[in-house]
Amino acid sequence: SQKIEQNSEALNIQEGKTATLTCNYTNYSPAYLQWYRQDPGRGPVFLLLIRENEKEKRKERLKVTFDTTLKQSLFHITASQPADSATYLCALDNYGQNFVFGPGTRLSVLP
Amino acid sequence: GAGVSQSPSNKVTEKGKDVELRCDPISGHTALYWYRQSLGQGLEFLIYFQGNSAPDKSGLPSDRFSAERTGGSVSTLTIQRTQQEDSAVYLCASSLDPSDQETQYFGPGTRLLVL
Repeated sequence: SQKIEQNSEALNIQEGKTATLTCNYTNYSPAYLQWYRQDPGRGPVFLLLIRENEKEKRKERLKVTFDTTLKQSLFHITASQPADSATYLCALDNYGQNFVFGPGTRLSVLP
Repeated sequence: GAGVSQSPSNKVTEKGKDVELRCDPISGHTALYWYRQSLGQGLEFLIYFQGNSAPDKSGLPSDRFSAERTGGSVSTLTIQRTQQEDSAVYLCASSLDPSDQETQYFGPGTRLLVL
């Protein structure tokens, strides 16, 4: 069966450091891999999408890599800030079919 | 059925008409989410229901969009006076208890095409 794992349930880092979150999947061949941010009591907010033929995508302080051989995506937040504290979810998508979220990693950026 | 179900699976409508999309969450799940996804785009959050709390409507794109959840179970997303840009896949998801970051279980979606 399909499975998505994210590196840890919770991650604490110091302000200014780079946060790196991992998403691994099995038994899936996604066309897209996506990252979302979710704050408590709110719905997920889309951050970045990377296609299966792309290796890396950047948006401001965010960077996503996608390795379809390793079946892994890394999500980096550089120069992290306390406001970046949230749960980050990776999601797999196959042209609108079989959309699946990972369990999420709760990131805390400590001042 | 143990999963989230949505109906209809496909809907074609004319511009200006109203449409209703239905979601049946997994029994016992307190949280229900609506999203939409345009082709090749990320999932766009629309609205979130949690128990008896006021819903989080912050993602609804305009006042033509509304949603209800009756009895804490079935939800209906209504789009009034549909426009062509409303064409997308509308996905519903439910989770047991979002405070524990429970996995969201997605329905198969409703593919809406506005002509």
